[in-house]
Amino acid sequence: GQSLEQPSEVTAVEGAIVQINCTYQTSGFYGLSWYQQHDGGAPTFLSYNGLDGLEETGRFSSFLSRSDSYGYLLLQELQMKDSASYFCAVWDTGRRALTFGSGTRLQVQP
Amino acid sequence: GAVVSQHPSRVICKSGTSVKIECRSLDFQATTMFWYRQFPKQSLMLMATSNEGSKATYEQGVEKDKFLINHASLTLSTLTVTSAHPEDSSFYICSAPDTGSEQYFGPGTRLTVT
Repeated sequence: GQSLEQPSEVTAVEGAIVQINCTYQTSGFYGLSWYQQHDGGAPTFLSYNGLDGLEETGRFSSFLSRSDSYGYLLLQELQMKDSASYFCAVWDTGRRALTFGSGTRLQVQP
Repeated sequence: GAVVSQHPSRVICKSGTSVKIECRSLDFQATTMFWYRQFPKQSLMLMATSNEGSKATYEQGVEKDKFLINHASLTLSTLTVTSAHPEDSSFYICSAPDTGSEQYFGPGTRLTVT
């Protein structure tokens, strides 16, 4: 089966940088994805890492180390609107669906 | 990017009644769609995989006779919660994959059973 672990909550101030870690255990790894979900809304895709290294998309970056079964999402120049839950996810080859981590609730303070 | 819609966005029903939720891919065809359930402050849990033209695949612990799934066309999957009870109150979200690595999620349906 698959399991992903994330911190449950992170708090940071506007303009700061925050890193959300994700460790995973999976059989048959096909990449790590990150999703953002605001309260009451649906998850939206942020990034995908299929290979080791850093992927950058504007203020958001994501990193993957397959040898360590570890990845992180880096959010820079935090804004109040970044307050949301962030989920890492892996593709479950058995069920052919995404398995989500428990989610990290990010609170950005003024 | 691709768009997935859900209807209704919110529904309140009485205990014992049935509720149907629709999930549509608006600008692409989806032979597979996924139904997730999310309780407050929790993660998304996969309920079932909806396959166009064949039976859905249910996750362990999900009652197939209670959560009826129909995927009658390449753009529509429906989830019917039969004989709903208060413990079925949750946020139901569908998704559909594109040809790459991204899943497109519908906006979700908030179900409240009174």
